[in-house]
Amino acid sequence: DQQVKQNSPSLSVQEGRISILNCDYTNSMFDYFLWYKKYPAEGPTFLISISSIKDKNEDGRFTVFLNKSAKHLSLHIVPSQPGDSAVYFCAARRGSSGDKLTFGTGTRLAVRP
Amino acid sequence: GAGVSQTPSNKVTEKGKYVELRCDPISGHTALYWYRQSLGQGPEFLIYFQGTGAADDSGLPNDRFFAVRPEGSVSTLKIQRTERGDSAVYLCASSRGAGTEAFFGQGTRLTVV
Repeated sequence: DQQVKQNSPSLSVQEGRISILNCDYTNSMFDYFLWYKKYPAEGPTFLISISSIKDKNEDGRFTVFLNKSAKHLSLHIVPSQPGDSAVYFCAARRGSSGDKLTFGTGTRLAVRP
Repeated sequence: GAGVSQTPSNKVTEKGKYVELRCDPISGHTALYWYRQSLGQGPEFLIYFQGTGAADDSGLPNDRFFAVRPEGSVSTLKIQRTERGDSAVYLCASSRGAGTEAFFGQGTRLTVV
């Protein structure tokens, strides 16, 4: 049972344009959501997060939007840069489960120069 | 070191053998997590330590898997009677405590032949 889903395995975007990565979840008990970025042969690195009490969080070029009624979140990268090319994982956490994260399957982003 | 260190980076073992994977967390981090990432999947939670004790081991797939953290720092994930299905990248992460950002190591790629 995949509780966090990233339905697009890959995305290709032109440099300078917006990248939009999507994530859906099924467990309404999730109250905190995170995005991680992963380069080959490295561990995931934290990018940005959002609490379920908010609907938007922005950090520089990265913005995460949360739509609780639709159980959907998205990561926007503007403007996209070639160095953003990586695999992006959406993850979710329940307050009652401590810091255990449930990850999606990832979306591979390629930013073309 | 500055980050989470995992050794070895690669391990090839024969089916039925015993393996140990080591994780050195960031100094001072009290929380430590093990995840497993199979090909094409996101990381899956295995076990979470707070200090020396396993606060949540609900992700361990069966009794062939065991993890320890005897002094509240270094952790070892132990897999007995390895099977080909155990082949994956095993990721370790640490954090200062509940609700704080978790930092991942580069992972150990385990291949069971």
